[in-house]
Amino acid sequence: GAVVSQHPSWVICKSGTSVKIECRSLDFQATTMFWYRQFPKQSLMLMATSNEGSKATYEQGVEKDKFLINHASLTLSTLTVTSAHPEDSSFYICSARGTSETNEQYFGPGTRLTVT
Amino acid sequence: GQNIDQPTEMTATEGAIVQINCTYQTSGFNGLFWYQQHAGEAPTFLSYNVLDGLEEKGRFSSFLSRSKGYSYLLLKELQMKDSASYLCAGMDSNYQLIWGAGTKLIIKP
Repeated sequence: GAVVSQHPSWVICKSGTSVKIECRSLDFQATTMFWYRQFPKQSLMLMATSNEGSKATYEQGVEKDKFLINHASLTLSTLTVTSAHPEDSSFYICSARGTSETNEQYFGPGTRLTVT
Repeated sequence: GQNIDQPTEMTATEGAIVQINCTYQTSGFNGLFWYQQHAGEAPTFLSYNVLDGLEEKGRFSSFLSRSKGYSYLLLKELQMKDSASYLCAGMDSNYQLIWGAGTKLIIKP
């Protein structure tokens, strides 16, 4: 099956610093990648959708200048949380969609961000 | 608007059968997905339905009725490891997944 990796799996950073999270599709080309955030005991919240080579589409209420998304190739997308604050502490999950008939999204293992 | 409804929590007994219902309203429809998510982990794919009827995959089955905007996930021979959240998601005309809040399934011995 399709595999999506995320790095790092967890990160602790100080308030005001920036953190970059990588999402890679390992054995398929991802035409579209999605970035989600999930707070404890809550459902997935879509932050943005990115297509390779174009600007990401952000969901309402998500600050595009704070959450920078780059989808430079068909196998790599990055999310940078700029000037992180404690309220940005969350579980960030990426998913990638290839060209299968089912349009299934394959999820990465997630990155747990803690901002102190 | 687009909406996915599913129960917040369900409890079942090990070895029994449980059915998790989901109703959906999406702008256009390109299929209904079920994902399993254990605490602290990312979701994993369980099933996909785009035509009416029942899809069986081992102990798990998923049903879809497009006319009723309704789906269910059926779990048989429940095991303790099935304790997890089950997420229902409808895919709209833009191939965007609309997520339900998830159903937390608690399995008791």
